[in-house]
Amino acid sequence: GESVGLHLPTLSVQEGDNSIINCAYSNSASDYFIWYKQESGKGPQFIIDIRSNMDKRQGQRVTVLLNKTVKHLSLQIAATQPGDSAVYFCAENIGYGGATNKLIFGTGTLLAVQP
Amino acid sequence: DTEVTQTPKHLVMGMTNKKSLKCEQHMGHRAMYWYKQKAKKPPELMFVYSYEKLSINESVPSRFSPECPNSSLLNLHLHALQPEDSALYLCASSQVAAAGKETQYFGPGTRLLVL
Repeated sequence: GESVGLHLPTLSVQEGDNSIINCAYSNSASDYFIWYKQESGKGPQFIIDIRSNMDKRQGQRVTVLLNKTVKHLSLQIAATQPGDSAVYFCAENIGYGGATNKLIFGTGTLLAVQP
Repeated sequence: DTEVTQTPKHLVMGMTNKKSLKCEQHMGHRAMYWYKQKAKKPPELMFVYSYEKLSINESVPSRFSPECPNSSLLNLHLHALQPEDSALYLCASSQVAAAGKETQYFGPGTRLLVL
């Protein structure tokens, strides 16, 4: 079946350290993935995406790695800051009839940054 | 600009009330979405509109009635809701592309409480 899951429900890191949030997906046909950040009381905020023809993509302080062999996705945050504290969701984007998208979200990881 | 707006921010309603949630975007996106998110859970897709036509209904009860009056607006009409329908209702929008893999951008959500 289709599912996207996370290994760690909660991740606690010290300010300034690097954070790594992991995600496993089960649909081998999936070829587009998105990471969202959701702060308390807000909607999910797009962070970074990656398509299956890539294995790494970098943004500002964030890097997404994709390992299609083991169906694994990770989000790396460099020099984690208190403002990075939030729930992080990976999402698998499934084309639905070729014209619209369906997002399958992982269960989410709470990132807690300790000062 | 990647802003999706939603009103109201909070809504309290009784089980016999009729209310509407509103969503607006001015990014020229032709796909719009409603999601439901319970506390500490990932968002779950409810409806998808593509070019102002309903393209996906994820078996949502008829007490939820979506409407897309034009390419910028999306409504969700609520009637005879149950307490278990209390949740954060999220609107999102995206481009519609042949690949069907365009990023979805989310609004801040409407926090709904059904008494």
